[in-house]
Amino acid sequence: GEDVEQSLFLSVREGDSSVINCTYTDSSSTYLYWYKQEPGAGLQLLTYIFSNMDMKQDQRLTVLLNKKDKHLSLRIADTQTGDSAIYFCAERVHDYKLSFGAGTTVTVRA
Amino acid sequence: EAQVTQNPRYLITVTGKKLTVTCSQNMNHEYMSWYRQDPGLGLRQIYYSMNVEVTDKGDVPEGYKVSRKEKRNFPLILESPSPNQTSLYFCASSFSPGQAPNTEAFFGQGTRLTVV
Repeated sequence: GEDVEQSLFLSVREGDSSVINCTYTDSSSTYLYWYKQEPGAGLQLLTYIFSNMDMKQDQRLTVLLNKKDKHLSLRIADTQTGDSAIYFCAERVHDYKLSFGAGTTVTVRA
Repeated sequence: EAQVTQNPRYLITVTGKKLTVTCSQNMNHEYMSWYRQDPGLGLRQIYYSMNVEVTDKGDVPEGYKVSRKEKRNFPLILESPSPNQTSLYFCASSFSPGQAPNTEAFFGQGTRLTVV
């Protein structure tokens, strides 16, 4: 089955790095994604990684994928107040099936 | 501007009164889908559509209907809403499956539905 799990809350000081973790269960997943949801808004695709990659960097964002442990993480460098949001991990199980985690609420404190 | 537009943004209704939430995209996307978001559960897929007149059930289709008569529109219909359908609903559209990044790339702003 497809189960995506992530911790529900993360508090981080402005300027520090944030690390959001996610575990997934379906080893056949082709792509894994991180979405950001700001208050009152829909989801915004932040970044994604193909399953044959270990790492992907995109400006302040670094995605790490450990296929053996089925563990995905998102690191945000130099966290800013604008990074306060809910972050969802998701896996593509097949062409028409996307499974989401419950979301991690990130709070950035001054 | 590329966007997915949902209406209404907020809706309070009574049990059993049929309602429709509209969704429209202006990107000529073939694939569209509906999700509901509930606290602690993340997003769960209700229905999806691969193209005009082609729809299929997601994980939680009970109590919902959809139609795809035109490429740009994908309305969600609740024939007889019940309180357990109180939720935040999102419509999404994407590039065709198989084309990277192979995901729902555009989401609407959401419809908060309360059924009393």
